[in-house]
Amino acid sequence: GDSVTQMEGPVTLSEEAFLTINCTYTATGYPSLFWYVQYPGEGLQLLLKATKADDKGSNKGFEATYRKETTSFHLEKGSVQVSDSAVYFCAGYAGGTSYGKLTFGQGTILTVHP
Amino acid sequence: GAVVSQHPSRVICKSGTSVKIECRSLDFQATTMFWYRQFPKKSLMLMATSNEGSKATYEQGVEKDKFLINHASLTLSTLTVTSAHPEDSSFYICSATGTLVYNEQFFGPGTRLTVL
Repeated sequence: GDSVTQMEGPVTLSEEAFLTINCTYTATGYPSLFWYVQYPGEGLQLLLKATKADDKGSNKGFEATYRKETTSFHLEKGSVQVSDSAVYFCAGYAGGTSYGKLTFGQGTILTVHP
Repeated sequence: GAVVSQHPSRVICKSGTSVKIECRSLDFQATTMFWYRQFPKKSLMLMATSNEGSKATYEQGVEKDKFLINHASLTLSTLTVTSAHPEDSSFYICSATGTLVYNEQFFGPGTRLTVL
């Protein structure tokens, strides 16, 4: 079945550092891919998405490019802030008979220190 | 647009009682709603998928008689935890998808259930 594998955390960075959180997926086709962010005590918010190969999703300074050749969708940000501290989830949606069902990675806890 | 609400945000109940959690899509029609359970520092576990007007589809290992799901309208789904026990304590999150944006789920803020 489909699976999403994320870089294990936790990740601890200083403010203004560069962030990369790796995500790779395994699927029979080419799923739509998403990054969600979860702040403490809250639900998930969509951060960015890409629906086909070579698409780049971007939002709030975060970027991720859908790489078909490496089946990856790594999340990057050039300069993190303390307010970026949260849990980040990579997810894929395969469609077809599993309509709407997202497959989540295990989540990566990010802590940014001043 | 695309707001999903959950109520209550936090509930504490005694062991053996039942608890109902509501999930509402506020500004779009949700043809499909999903219920997830999240353990501390863990990823989301899909419990069930519900389509408006039909029975929910439960994931393997999820007791359908314990976690009753009703999706009676295009804007409301409910999850009832029956005869709750301390091991049911968790963070429950719903999400909804519909005709608003293809392939995208919109998540509620979650409900923290604590069973004493």
